[in-house]
Amino acid sequence: GAVVSQHPSWVICKSGTSVKIECRSLDFQATTMFWYRQFPKQSLMLMATSNEGSKATYEQGVEKDKFLINHASLTLSTLTVTSAHPEDSSFYICSASTRTGDGQYFGPGTRLTVT
Amino acid sequence: AQSVTQLGSHVSVSEGALVLLRCNYSSSVPPYLFWYVQYPNQGLQLLLKYTTGATLVKGINGFEAEFKKSETSFHLTKPSAHMSDAAEYFCAVLEENSSASKIIFGSGTRLSIRP
Repeated sequence: GAVVSQHPSWVICKSGTSVKIECRSLDFQATTMFWYRQFPKQSLMLMATSNEGSKATYEQGVEKDKFLINHASLTLSTLTVTSAHPEDSSFYICSASTRTGDGQYFGPGTRLTVT
Repeated sequence: AQSVTQLGSHVSVSEGALVLLRCNYSSSVPPYLFWYVQYPNQGLQLLLKYTTGATLVKGINGFEAEFKKSETSFHLTKPSAHMSDAAEYFCAVLEENSSASKIIFGSGTRLSIRP
C-alpha cells in the first residue's frame, strides 16, 4: 500500500514552453502533497507544500508564478513549470502524506530536461 | 527550525565490512527522524524511521539506526555491506509548525562498495 506515482518519468522540452508533471496517490487519500527538486549529486530541496483544495505554500526563494501547483483532489497534485529554461532542468520528486507525522510517501521522480 | 547534518558526502567500504553513515540533528523538540535510500535515477525509499519508543530502530535490507539524544545523533549502520547497498543515503527530520509538517533532508552521503 501507500504507492505514489508520477507522470511522466522523463520529459524533454524546449526553452519557453510549459511542462506539467502529475503526482498521484494510488491507494490512499493524500491530504497533503509535497514537491521537491533535486539537482545532480545534491539533496532534495522542498519547493512547496499543498493541501487539497487550498493554495500551495511555497518555500522561500521558489517562484510561485513559475512553478504552479494544483492539488485538485485527494489523489492528484500537479506541478506546472511555466516558460521553462535550461536552468529548470532537474529531478522533480513529489510525496504524499496520509496524516500529520510519519506517513509521507515518495514518488519515483520526474526528470525534466529543458533544451 | 529543525535540521540534519550528514558528515561525509562520500563513504567507501569493502564488501562485507561495517557500514556507518553519520547523521546529527538539530531540534528543540523530540524529533521524528528518517533514513532514505536513493538508487540512481530513482525516487526515495524509506529505510527506517524513529518516532518514539525504542531508540534502536531496525529497517529494511539489514540497516538499523540508533537515536541518541545525548549526542543528537541518528547514525545508520549495517554489519556487513553488500554490493547492492551502493546508493545515495539521506537522513531527514520531520519539521512541524502551525501550518504544516514537512520533511527536511540532509545533504546526502554516497555509499560506494569495493569488491
